[in-house]
Amino acid sequence: DTAVSQTPKYLVTQMGNDKSIKCEQNLGHDTMYWYKQDSKKFLKIMFSYNNKELIINETVPNRFSPKSPDKAHLNLHINSLELGDSAVYFCASSEQDRANTGELFFGEGSRLTVL
Amino acid sequence: KQEVTQIPAALSVPEGENLVLNCSFTDSAIYNLQWFRQDPGKGLTSLLLIQSSQREQTSGRLNASLDKSSGRSTLYIAASQPGDSATYLCAVLSGSARQLTFGSGTQLTVLP
Repeated sequence: DTAVSQTPKYLVTQMGNDKSIKCEQNLGHDTMYWYKQDSKKFLKIMFSYNNKELIINETVPNRFSPKSPDKAHLNLHINSLELGDSAVYFCASSEQDRANTGELFFGEGSRLTVL
Repeated sequence: KQEVTQIPAALSVPEGENLVLNCSFTDSAIYNLQWFRQDPGKGLTSLLLIQSSQREQTSGRLNASLDKSSGRSTLYIAASQPGDSATYLCAVLSGSARQLTFGSGTQLTVLP
C-alpha cells in the first residue's frame, strides 16, 4: 500500500485556469506538507499543516491554498495559473511527536505544466 | 534563515568504491537531519534520520554522521553499486515553524 499518494501524477493546463492536486496519507500522521521542486531540482516548503495550525511560507503567492478535509488529506488548490507555476509538487507527511522530530515521507510528486 | 549546502553537486565513481557526500547548514539549532534519495521522475525516499542528540546512524551500506556544532553531516556509502545512482538530498528540520530545509542535492553516478 502506498503511504503517501498524490493525484494526478501529471497535469497539463492553460494559463489562467484553476487546478487542484490531491494528497492522501495512510500512515496516521498528524502533519502534512506541500513542497515545490523547481526546474533546478531545488525543493522548497510551501505549507505545513496539522490539526492545530497552518504554516505558510511567506514567499508562496495567495493563489495557492491548501485545504484539509480531514487528517489524512491535504489538497493543493491553485488559482489563475501562471507559467512560473510549472514545477513538480510533492506532498509529504510526518508524525510530530512532542519533540517535533518526525521523519518525513514523500509522495511521488505531481508534475504541473502550465502552457 | 537556515541554508543547506551540498558538495559536490555531481559525482561519478566506478562500481565498488567507497564515497562520501557532504552537507553543511548555517544554523546549528536543528531538531534533526534527514538524508533522502531521489530517482529521476520519482519522489523522495528517506534513507537515514539523525536526531539532534545523535552522532550517526547506519543502515546497510549507508552511514550518516552529524556534527551539529560545526553544522556538518556526511553520508558514507560503502562498496557503491550502479543501483546507488540517484540524487541524494540532505535536509534539516529547524526553526520555530519546524520546517525542513533542503540542500540542492548531489547527483551520484556509479559506473559499472
